[in-house]
Amino acid sequence: GAVVSQHPSRVICKSGTSVKIECRSLDFQATTMFWYRQFPKQSLMLMATSNEGSKATYEQGVEKDKFLINHASLTLSTLTVTSAHPEDSSFYICSTGGTYEQYFGPGTRLTVT
Amino acid sequence: GEDVEQSLFLSVREGDSSVINCTYTDSSSTYLYWYKQEPGAGLQLLTYIFSNMDMKQDQRLTVLLNKKDKHLSLRIADTQTGDSAIYFCAETGQAGTALIFGKGTTLSVSS
Repeated sequence: GAVVSQHPSRVICKSGTSVKIECRSLDFQATTMFWYRQFPKQSLMLMATSNEGSKATYEQGVEKDKFLINHASLTLSTLTVTSAHPEDSSFYICSTGGTYEQYFGPGTRLTVT
Repeated sequence: GEDVEQSLFLSVREGDSSVINCTYTDSSSTYLYWYKQEPGAGLQLLTYIFSNMDMKQDQRLTVLLNKKDKHLSLRIADTQTGDSAIYFCAETGQAGTALIFGKGTTLSVSS
């Protein structure tokens, strides 16, 4: 299956700063990537769908100006958490889909102090 | 909207079989998945099943699907301590689209 990487794996930032998370599809051309958020001991919730060369589609309740998504190439999508606050602390996971399978990145643990 | 439900905890002894259950509400679900997540790690796809199948077996894993009742189960035979993890059930109506996840079942295996 496809290999998806994320960088960084773990980041701690101060409140009010911005953090960029990269999601790379290493061996698969990903026209679409998905960004999920997972709070401790909870399920994964879809935040947005990232489309190569066009605007991302955000789920209801997700602020597009706070969570900026850029999908400039078939192998890279980035999620930037702007003006981060402690409540943004979470595990962010990206994925991309094959014919039947969804391939997930290893996740990025964001802690906002 | 669509919903996926799982029991939150399951505790078994090493060597026993584990059965993790999942129910979903979306009748148009076409692809159903089981993922494993170990502490602090990402998601590992264990297996998936199409809605036109009743059963799928892969080594120690057996997936049963009752489409009428919208019930999916994962059986792990000869459960090992390394199987301790959170298991997520997920579904989608169309290949290549985002998945809807259950809250996850924490499997605890004691020796």
